[in-house]
Amino acid sequence: AQTVTQSQPEMSVQEAETVTLSCTYDTSENNYYLFWYKQPPSRQMILVIRQEAYKQQNATENRFSVNFQKAAKSFSLKISDSQLGDTAMYFCAFMKGNNAGNMLTFGGGTRLMVKP
Amino acid sequence: NAGVMQNPRHLVRRRGQEARLRCSPMKGHSHVYWYRQLPEEGLKFMVYLQKENIIDESGMPKERFSAEFPKEGPSILRIQQVVRGDSAAYFCASSVLAGAYEQYFGPGTRLTVT
Repeated sequence: AQTVTQSQPEMSVQEAETVTLSCTYDTSENNYYLFWYKQPPSRQMILVIRQEAYKQQNATENRFSVNFQKAAKSFSLKISDSQLGDTAMYFCAFMKGNNAGNMLTFGGGTRLMVKP
Repeated sequence: NAGVMQNPRHLVRRRGQEARLRCSPMKGHSHVYWYRQLPEEGLKFMVYLQKENIIDESGMPKERFSAEFPKEGPSILRIQQVVRGDSAAYFCASSVLAGAYEQYFGPGTRLTVT
């Protein structure tokens, strides 16, 4: 079974600064996908970024980028130029890559507060 | 293109009653997933369905919980004889195909058992 661990229950950052959220996972799979989801106070789950394990290049989406270390099983999210609207819960998630319609396994989340 | 729709958004049930949660996937999506989020926790997978088939129910409690996705109509998550521990947010997600295609989430149903 896969496990996903987010060791930072809460973090805060000043507006316009950079923050990094940590995520580690445990799996025996070689083919898999990793995701970061954002859950604002509205509780809607929003996909922020995804990474294919077979790709060495780190994924980037505008102000969001990841540092994917496959050997260390680490998948951190960096948010640059933080904005007040980034305030939310952030969940790291894992999906097996065997193309069988797999479920997402989520970490416990990190609550991020962006301060003005 | 409407997103994933869930209703009701909020549901209050007394202990022992039945709760029915509905999920309409995005247009063209035939794969539905249900997740449960307890307070201050991450989402936990419950069940994965395709039209008229349960593909993976490894996360479903063995008793009182059932799910269906009929040929016509929304997917239904049914909880019989609810208990206080069932109080949670229940999220539905849909995808166009199996595998690592993005799962689009609905807004969730918050179930409160009194």
